[in-house]
Amino acid sequence: AQSVTQLDSHVSVSEGTPVLLRCNYSSSYSPSLFWYVQHPNKGLQLLLKYTSAATLVKGINGFEAEFKKSETSFHLTKPSAHMSDAAEYFCVVSPTGGATNKLIFGTGTLLAVQP
Amino acid sequence: ETGVTQSPTHLIKTRGQQVTLRCSSQSGHNTVSWYQQALGQGPQFIFQYYREEENGRGNFPPRFSGLQFPNYSSELNVNALELDDSALYLCASSLAGDSAGNTIYFGEGSWLTVV
Repeated sequence: AQSVTQLDSHVSVSEGTPVLLRCNYSSSYSPSLFWYVQHPNKGLQLLLKYTSAATLVKGINGFEAEFKKSETSFHLTKPSAHMSDAAEYFCVVSPTGGATNKLIFGTGTLLAVQP
Repeated sequence: ETGVTQSPTHLIKTRGQQVTLRCSSQSGHNTVSWYQQALGQGPQFIFQYYREEENGRGNFPPRFSGLQFPNYSSELNVNALELDDSALYLCASSLAGDSAGNTIYFGEGSWLTVV
């Protein structure tokens, strides 16, 4: 069975400092991995996805994530946090080549950005 | 804007009642999936419809059912509502195929409160 574990339920950073949101995955074969963001009262928005191409994936709004198979990790980073980055972030896995678009979500990391 | 619209945005139902939630997919998308997001949790996959047929289901009882119409819009029906059904229900649309190749777009959700 595939799953993702988000290691921090809450992360707080100061504006202008780096962001690191940690995610480990479990999969018996090469997965597709995603990061989604959910702003209050808004739908889920795709930040980036990994689909077995380049291990360093660049997304929107300056976010990027690195797929590390040896560590089974897919951590999300951003060099400099902005106030507008405050939101809930979900690490997501999906079976590659599956018949459905089923996504398996982590429990989320709430990012707070202090001025 | 993702092009996925859901209605109603909020509703309150009494335990034992039935509810219907609606979703209009992004233009051209033939696959729709539904997720349940309880407070403080990540979304959980309920089921997926492709060309009016259910082709994938998560760990939800049969009282959760759905429909997809020829124009690819969709309904989620929940019978015999229980208090634990209180959650945000998310609709997502995509083209058929696995999630590696297709971007999945989410609506802003319908908040259901069961009292």
